[in-house]
Amino acid sequence: EAGVTQFPSHSVIEKGQTVTLRCDPISGHDNLYWYRRVMGKEIKFLLHFVKESKQDESGMPNNRFLAERTGGTYSTLKVQPAELEDSGVYFCASSQDRGRKETQYFGPGTRLLVL
Amino acid sequence: QQQVKQSPQSLIVQKGGISIINCAYENTAFDYFPWYQQFPGKGPALLIAIRPDVSEKKEGRFTISFNKSAKQFSLHIMDSQPGDSATYFCAASIVGYSGGGADGLTFGKGTHLIIQP
Repeated sequence: EAGVTQFPSHSVIEKGQTVTLRCDPISGHDNLYWYRRVMGKEIKFLLHFVKESKQDESGMPNNRFLAERTGGTYSTLKVQPAELEDSGVYFCASSQDRGRKETQYFGPGTRLLVL
Repeated sequence: QQQVKQSPQSLIVQKGGISIINCAYENTAFDYFPWYQQFPGKGPALLIAIRPDVSEKKEGRFTISFNKSAKQFSLHIMDSQPGDSATYFCAASIVGYSGGGADGLTFGKGTHLIIQP
């Protein structure tokens, strides 16, 4: 069984540009989460999808971030326009049973550097 | 405000020794405490987890000790091996609650563990 995959693995962009990150969860997992780790800080929760619906987006930093999960399969996280403080590692995780939050499986992350 | 405080930031242990990483939390509503292990270039992977109704959980060489009154929990790695060298994250969550950030895991800042051969 394939794990959670993320694309791209690395992205270097200039301030003001747009970047779109993609996450493919484990097949059959209805729950999809986005997290971010800024260097030296903890991994922070951004938002949670159940299928195509946003259940909790309280961790999204601001309106420059837009997450979508059309069709309830893969998800994208768009940053537009990117700022220097958006640099970090963006992780995606998925789980099958929402009631058992412990079963979150993480992808390898996308390392974003905004110059 | 950091809800889960993890220490130490880095740790060097000799092969065969015991590695101990500590975490403390603020929110008494947390009822699930997992530890994640992350190798370079990989995502965090669940290592072991505990609920507050038990004080200790052991899986192989890995043990979680939990102190509810002190709001602290720790990871012990017995007979530490070079292959255990990784970054370890403690986390906490509220199972069964939704919204307000509770859907996600609340992580500590991580401990970079090096096991010297």
